[in-house]
Amino acid sequence: AQKITQTQPGMFVQEKEAVTLDCTYDTSDQSYGLFWYKQPSSGEMIFLIYQGSYDEQNATEGRYSLNFQKARKSANLVISASQLGDSAMYFCAMREGRWGSNYKLTFGKGTLLTVNP
Amino acid sequence: EAGVAQSPRYKIIEKRQSVAFWCNPISGHATLYWYQQILGQGPKLLIQFQNNGVVDDSQLPKDRFSAERLKGVDSTLKIQPAKLEDSAVYLCASRADNEQFFGPGTRLTVL
Repeated sequence: AQKITQTQPGMFVQEKEAVTLDCTYDTSDQSYGLFWYKQPSSGEMIFLIYQGSYDEQNATEGRYSLNFQKARKSANLVISASQLGDSAMYFCAMREGRWGSNYKLTFGKGTLLTVNP
Repeated sequence: EAGVAQSPRYKIIEKRQSVAFWCNPISGHATLYWYQQILGQGPKLLIQFQNNGVVDDSQLPKDRFSAERLKGVDSTLKIQPAKLEDSAVYLCASRADNEQFFGPGTRLTVL
């Protein structure tokens, strides 16, 4: 079974509108973390936002927020006020195990976001 | 601070040839990762080093892939011999505390 599922291969949004990218995960660990990365066409992976399993509040970083619903095992990324430069692949990833251990990330297949002018 | 460096950025080889990729992590980062990212998919971990020791290489195809991290700094990933299905971007990442920093990747095309 996949540990990270991103069901939207592609999404379109109008500039200045908000968009939600879906991510569901599967783990039996109590301690885990969820990341979102952006990958532009140039190929580098850019860290956007992080949510820990014990964090009570949803994470926010500027225009990015993470809608964390633990019971549903979902960690959706919300981008507000989309910009043309937001057009890229977006990956959800999960860390299993506690911080400080030799953790590794498991990535989803990604969602290609296109922002239209 | 300087980021994770990788070279070459692009490589085209024929099947059955050998190829090597180089990664220089961020200074002081003890943990280094190599990922394989096939077109249209997310990165898949190949191998993880802690200093110069291997922590996890469970997904490394050991019959053709090898990696080393001498002196716990730079790392090389080698494929010998390459197959068509090895065409992918190979990403190196390093970590000191809680965030992984990725390099720009090496795009490998096997013809």
